[in-house]
Amino acid sequence: RKEVEQDPGPFNVPEGATVAFNCTYSNSASQSFFWYRQDCRKEPKLLMSVYSSGNEDGRFTAQLNRASQYISLLIRDSKLSDSATYLCVVNGASGGGADGLTFGKGTHLIIQP
Amino acid sequence: NAGVMQNPRHLVRRRGQEARLRCSPMKGHSHVYWYRQLPEEGLKFMVYLQKENIIDESGMPKERFSAEFPKEGPSILRIQQVVRGDSAAYFCASSPPGGQDTEAFFGQGTRLTVV
Repeated sequence: RKEVEQDPGPFNVPEGATVAFNCTYSNSASQSFFWYRQDCRKEPKLLMSVYSSGNEDGRFTAQLNRASQYISLLIRDSKLSDSATYLCVVNGASGGGADGLTFGKGTHLIIQP
Repeated sequence: NAGVMQNPRHLVRRRGQEARLRCSPMKGHSHVYWYRQLPEEGLKFMVYLQKENIIDESGMPKERFSAEFPKEGPSILRIQQVVRGDSAAYFCASSPPGGQDTEAFFGQGTRLTVV
């Protein structure tokens, strides 16, 4: 049973392009949603929280669709430094009553010059 | 305010030995999570602890693995009688009280190699 599911990619995108990817979650009672970024062999770092109303931070926009149970991340004007693995994180995704964080396996993004 | 501190950063153990991984959460954080990441794979949840309590250990292997978060001191992930398949990066994350509405901050991980 997949609780938080992401397309693993890789997404190969030319520099300057716009790229978007989604993440679906199985537990409709999930409360909190985040996007993390993980660079090769480093720890994950919070990129942005995802609010019901959606939120934007510079070139990054995150949105939540509760009805369809997915969150999305849009990156505009992509830079080479955006190359990383993007992890979708849902709190309370397990459905088993445990209020822990559940990570998707990540979407690998490669920005090409 | 120091971040989440994990030590050691690298640990080499022979098959059959014990591995102890330590995680000191950020100041004021009372929730600790342990994750394992195998090479070329995603993060896999292992255990979620609050001070002196295991909240969710559904991701922990049934044997050889244990975790604790005592009232004083760091959280410890203990792996007994290590095998080659235990070689992985082990990440710890912490979050403050408030649980579900707060994000977690990660340590730099401990890379365990079993030879």
